Amino acid sequence: EVQLVESGGGLVQPGRSLRLSCAASGFTFDDYAMHWVRQAPGKGLEWVSGISWNSGSIGYADSVKGRFTISRDNAKNSLYLQMNSLRAEDTALYYCAKDKLELPTGAFDIWGQGTMVTVSS
Amino acid sequence: QSALTQPASVSGSPGQSITISCTGTSSDVGGYNYVSWYQQHPGKAPKLMIYDVSNRPSGVSNRFSGSKSGNTASLTISGLQAEDEADYYCSSYTSSSTAVVFGGGTKLTVL
Repeated sequence: EVQLVESGGGLVQPGRSLRLSCAASGFTFDDYAMHWVRQAPGKGLEWVSGISWNSGSIGYADSVKGRFTISRDNAKNSLYLQMNSLRAEDTALYYCAKDKLELPTGAFDIWGQGTMVTVSS
Repeated sequence: QSALTQPASVSGSPGQSITISCTGTSSDVGGYNYVSWYQQHPGKAPKLMIYDVSNRPSGVSNRFSGSKSGNTASLTISGLQAEDEADYYCSSYTSSSTAVVFGGGTKLTVL
């Protein structure tokens, strides 16, 4: 079964760090670009970051650039998001999503169920 | 503010057709054939309905179709059904420093 399972979310104070993980199974992980997409409570989808199959192409939303770092370990079929200097506005459900191609295109054909990040003192 | 512009809401009666628009610029929607559409029911993860402007993934009903003209993409749902009631989002590849942009989302109500 094709599956993405996120973990690492939780309650964190403003200014602190958190690392999200996404475990992939059921498909050849290193054939595809991967992404993080977030959704604040009651709000729309926001693309956060994406990484190509070989980590050669990486992009970030302006809202997280310089604070978040995306990475992947193809040997472990895993995607990561290191989030530093967290702000209240980063509070959201964070989804891991698989692209249809090896480079980021925005066609996310597989989604995880998400992991909730709450930034609050 | 979202990079792609969608109407906040649309509605239609069962059996009717509706169209949701998604307007961007020549740097995203107008410049590439990498427009996608997603359906999201409350409390669920989004589901890919259309990719590459007009392609349907396996398993998606042919009542869903996509198109593009200039900087505006459109999602058309024909033969509306109650289960189509959901939020719909468009996305596009962009040549800006970010790689992907979403629309603000459209709430579809089936009357």
